[in-house]
Amino acid sequence: DAGVTQSPTHLIKTRGQHVTLRCSPISGHKSVSWYQQVLGQGPQFIFQYYEKEERGRGNFPDRFSARQFPNYSSELNVNALLLGDSALYLCASSFTGGGATEAFFGQGTRLTVV
Amino acid sequence: EDQVTQSPEALRLQEGESSSLNCSYTVSGLRGLFWYRQDPGKGPEFLFTLYSAGEEKEKERLKATLTKKESFLHITAPKPEDSATYLCAVQAGTGGFKTIFGAGTRLFVKA
Repeated sequence: DAGVTQSPTHLIKTRGQHVTLRCSPISGHKSVSWYQQVLGQGPQFIFQYYEKEERGRGNFPDRFSARQFPNYSSELNVNALLLGDSALYLCASSFTGGGATEAFFGQGTRLTVV
Repeated sequence: EDQVTQSPEALRLQEGESSSLNCSYTVSGLRGLFWYRQDPGKGPEFLFTLYSAGEEKEKERLKATLTKKESFLHITAPKPEDSATYLCAVQAGTGGFKTIFGAGTRLFVKA
């Protein structure tokens, strides 16, 4: 079975541009979460979606948005990119959106803003 | 404010030298505590979930324990392939679903 897949794997963007990152969860998983990981730090929670609805949001500016599609895949959008947005963006899927269920991570998208 | 702190930041061990990693947390409404392993350039790999104080889980050379304020990841007779960053995360139930990660402990095991 395929694990969590993210695309693209690497991306270089210019300040002020917009970026869309994509995630396909494990088959049968209905919840997707997004994280930002800066080098040397733990992942920072951005969003959680379950059954196409936002269930949780971290402390990120409104430039960050996300959505989940009927097939449970998800997109993370970031507008007006800043140099500080350079990071590894991780997607995690879990079977349910409630309770403390383990999440399985993709390999991430490495975003570099120049 | 919800917070997760891991110590030490880095740990260097000889092969076979057992040790423990610490994860202390202050959150409201703990739903569960997770341990992950992360290799360089890869996404975190799930290891354990702990739900309540007193709970223990084991997998090969790893054993995770939980109290009301902290969790320990015990590594028994580590091997070089155990070298990685170990991340602790808690899921809190207040203000919506949010998972908070610590900064991780980088473990180096020398043969």
